[in-house]
Amino acid sequence: GESVGLHLPTLSVQEGDNSIINCAYSNSASDYFIWYKQESGKGPQFIIDIRSNMDKRQGQRVTVLLNKTVKHLSLQIAATQPGDSAVYFCAETPPSNTGKLIFGQGTTLQVKP
Amino acid sequence: EPEVTQTPSHQVTQMGQEVILRCVPISNHLYFYWYRQILGQKVEFLVSFYNNEISEKSEIFDDQFSVERPDGSNFTLKIRSTKLEDSAMYFCASSSQKGRNQPQHFGDGTRLSIL
Repeated sequence: GESVGLHLPTLSVQEGDNSIINCAYSNSASDYFIWYKQESGKGPQFIIDIRSNMDKRQGQRVTVLLNKTVKHLSLQIAATQPGDSAVYFCAETPPSNTGKLIFGQGTTLQVKP
Repeated sequence: EPEVTQTPSHQVTQMGQEVILRCVPISNHLYFYWYRQILGQKVEFLVSFYNNEISEKSEIFDDQFSVERPDGSNFTLKIRSTKLEDSAMYFCASSSQKGRNQPQHFGDGTRLSIL
C-alpha cells in the first residue's frame, strides 16, 4: 500500500548546528512533496515543497533534497534555532487529480540551547 | 497573511451524537480537504472537495461522514453518529485555484473528544 515513512522518530541537535531530517516514500509515481512543521497544539505549517522534476530546492535556512532513484527526501535546516523545535512531517502527492497528501510518521526535532 | 480558521478548537461529545466541525478556508482557494490525526500518530487524509463535490475520500470516510460547503466561505465536516475511535484532531486545509500541485495550508484543528 501507499506509505511515507521517516527514518528517525527523534533528532536532538545543538543550537547553531545544522539539522537533517530524512524521509522515505514508497510511491515512485508521486510527483509533488511537501515538508510541514507542526508545533504543539497547532496545525501543520508549510515549510517548503519540491516537484519531481527537481532534485534540490532552497528556501530561507531550509533545503529540500529529492533522490528519486532511492525514493528519499530530506530536509536540511541551517543554523538550527530553539524555535525550530517541532515535529516535522514529509508528505507526498500520488498521481491523482485530487491533491490528496500522504503523510509520514513525523520526526521530532529537539534543539538544545 | 491569510489563514485557515477552524471552530471550535475543542469539541466534547457523547458517543452516538452528531458533531459538526467548521472551517473557513483561505478566501481565494477552491480545493478543500479534511484530515485527522490521532494523538501521537501521523496525519491521515479523509476527503478532498472541489467544485461542490467530493473528489476523493479515504476508507476512514464512511457513511457516517459528510462534508458540505453551505455558503461561499464555510466548509464543514459532519459525523452523524460519533464513535469512541473518532476521537482525534481534525484539520481542515485548502489550496489555491491554480491546481493540485500547490501547497495545502492547514488550520490549527479541532480536537474532538468522544465520551
